Amino acid sequence: DVKVTQSSRYLVKRTGEKVFLECVQDMDHENMFWYRQDPGLGLRLIYFSYDVKMKEKGDIPEGYSVSREKKERFSLILESASTNQTSMYLCASSFPPGAGSYGYTFGSGTRLTVV
Amino acid sequence: AQSVTQLDSHVSVSEGTPVLLRCNYSSSYSPSLFWYVQHPNKGLQLLLKYTSAATLVKGINGFEAEFKKSETSFHLTKPSAHMSDAAEYFCVVSANFGNEKLTFGTGTRLTIIP
Repeated sequence: DVKVTQSSRYLVKRTGEKVFLECVQDMDHENMFWYRQDPGLGLRLIYFSYDVKMKEKGDIPEGYSVSREKKERFSLILESASTNQTSMYLCASSFPPGAGSYGYTFGSGTRLTVV
Repeated sequence: AQSVTQLDSHVSVSEGTPVLLRCNYSSSYSPSLFWYVQHPNKGLQLLLKYTSAATLVKGINGFEAEFKKSETSFHLTKPSAHMSDAAEYFCVVSANFGNEKLTFGTGTRLTIIP
């Protein structure tokens, strides 16, 4: 089974801190994604990457950046955490487009609280 | 561009009665459509997917959905609700079999009345 592992289940950070959320997948997937989940809003895409050192903005990239130095690892960075970034963050990985079958896998999430 | 609208934020049904969760989509290309379920404090689980094959799609736990292009709908149904079905359900749209970015609906919380 594909495993998408997020390094922390719960995090509490202070306003203004730089925060790193780490995600690792073990199935050699090209694609990786970061979403945030908020009540009543569903999941919204923050950033995604289709290859190493490649990144594209999703629907809500403001206040975030990402890093993908290795294929299996995709990091989400909050440059200066703010209280409105308190949320559940979900990482996912998938097969490349046109793979012919669905291979999207989500991690179990990191619940971040910014105080 | 793509989007989904889940028409009900909350649905309550009695145990043993049918479930209907409604979803309309908008897409500028042939979409792939999915339903995910999330039980309290649990991760996302794929219920079923439509990727341009049969329009009636059967999923896990007795759920099914029908892709209706003329109505741009992908409603989720189950003939008889069980207490364990209480959860939040997300309708999702994507392209290319869903291996690109996913667009989620805002979710429908399903409550089962004993």
